[in-house]
Amino acid sequence: DTAVSQTPKYLVTQMGNDKSIKCEQNLGHDTMYWYKQDSKKFLKIMFSYNNKELIINETVPNRFSPKSPDKAHLNLHINSLELGDSAVYFCASSLGTVWETQYFGPGTRLLVL
Amino acid sequence: QQPVQSPQAVILREGEDAVINCSSSKALYSVHWYRQKHGEAPVFLMILLKGGEQKGHEKISASFNEKKQQSSLYLTASQLSYSGTYFCGTERADYGGSQGNLIFGKGTKLSVKP
Repeated sequence: DTAVSQTPKYLVTQMGNDKSIKCEQNLGHDTMYWYKQDSKKFLKIMFSYNNKELIINETVPNRFSPKSPDKAHLNLHINSLELGDSAVYFCASSLGTVWETQYFGPGTRLLVL
Repeated sequence: QQPVQSPQAVILREGEDAVINCSSSKALYSVHWYRQKHGEAPVFLMILLKGGEQKGHEKISASFNEKKQQSSLYLTASQLSYSGTYFCGTERADYGGSQGNLIFGKGTKLSVKP
């Protein structure tokens, strides 16, 4: 059984479109995260949710909106996609906050044309 | 503030040792080490929380200096499977404890050759 899963694995879309990436974890963890890894492999945290509440919201454009329907799911919705949004987006989860091990999903490769 | 990792890249022969450093200008609350293979997600290696701490994971170990501004990852008797990019993720101590806000270094690309 996959611990942290993301869908879709690949996403190719046109500029200006709106898209969503879904993340689910079956580990019973309380905290979930979204990371962006750009073409230079720079890994940056975007959002963190603990028990469905937002605890980190780094400086990302407000076109990005996380949604947590329950503590096992953290989805990422992106409006008006731009070329610079092309990246790999990783979802992760941990039992508590960051002193706990973070388990990463397989990533979603987003390409904006 | 992004931690500085060094070296940027290292090439080893199987059986050789390597050290990867992660430095911050501010005291850290914690340091996390991850390895990422090409096309895959990062995989957790270990977390260090206390100044002077040392931790081991088979032939991979890490230390956190007393001032909590530098961590080093030690890879001994390297194996082909050690190849990948190693990232340190850090939390600033002046943020008042863990808030889940890891800042990652740019990574160190390790290549182990037969």
